[in-house]
Amino acid sequence: ETGVTQTPRHLVMGMTNKKSLKCEQHLGHNAMYWYKQSAKKPLELMFVYNFKEQTENNSVPSRFSPECPNSSHLFLHLHTLQPEDSALYLCASSPVGAINTEAFFGQGTRLTVV
Amino acid sequence: AQSVTQPDIHITVSEGASLELRCNYSYGATPYLFWYVQSPGQGLQLLLKYFSGDTLVQGIKGFEAEFKRSQSSFNLRKPSVHWSDAAEYFCAVGASGGYQKVTFGIGTKLQVIP
Repeated sequence: ETGVTQTPRHLVMGMTNKKSLKCEQHLGHNAMYWYKQSAKKPLELMFVYNFKEQTENNSVPSRFSPECPNSSHLFLHLHTLQPEDSALYLCASSPVGAINTEAFFGQGTRLTVV
Repeated sequence: AQSVTQPDIHITVSEGASLELRCNYSYGATPYLFWYVQSPGQGLQLLLKYFSGDTLVQGIKGFEAEFKRSQSSFNLRKPSVHWSDAAEYFCAVGASGGYQKVTFGIGTKLQVIP
């Protein structure tokens, strides 16, 4: 069982809709991440949060808006998306300040933009 | 900038046969190296990681990987593949100091035939 839970698992939305993806971790970690996984492309890091503060934004379009209200929760707010935004969105968490660590991933939200 | 190359996009092996998945990385200093596995519809699960020390690393599910600095490689091996090993495998490289800016390869999809 993963300590990182993502909801919903599947989402279909129109280009004019507004929706949110949710991620929750029960591992006591203080870093959380959003990744985009598209077919035939490497995993793309979108955002990084450390202790609720955004520390990385990899040139992600503004139609993706992250929110991290506390170290256990992470949201990705979506609006006016494009069909090319259809992908698997993965949330992950890791400890901060500890060496020899890895990230723990959620099961992802499969997003389809129509 | 760090990068990862997984030259084999798709590999097919027979059940019971040995397996080697290739990974080459580019990084200026001593890298942190990871292998993750992703089953269909699931998130990524860590198989093993290398940070320092013994260059032969043992992981879960009977997998191992060998770090070869001279070849900039971190190949994943398993002596006898099981049907349940069919999945996609991702190699990743990161900087020392913990998991934050990790770069993933494109992945190798493993098919196991009876």
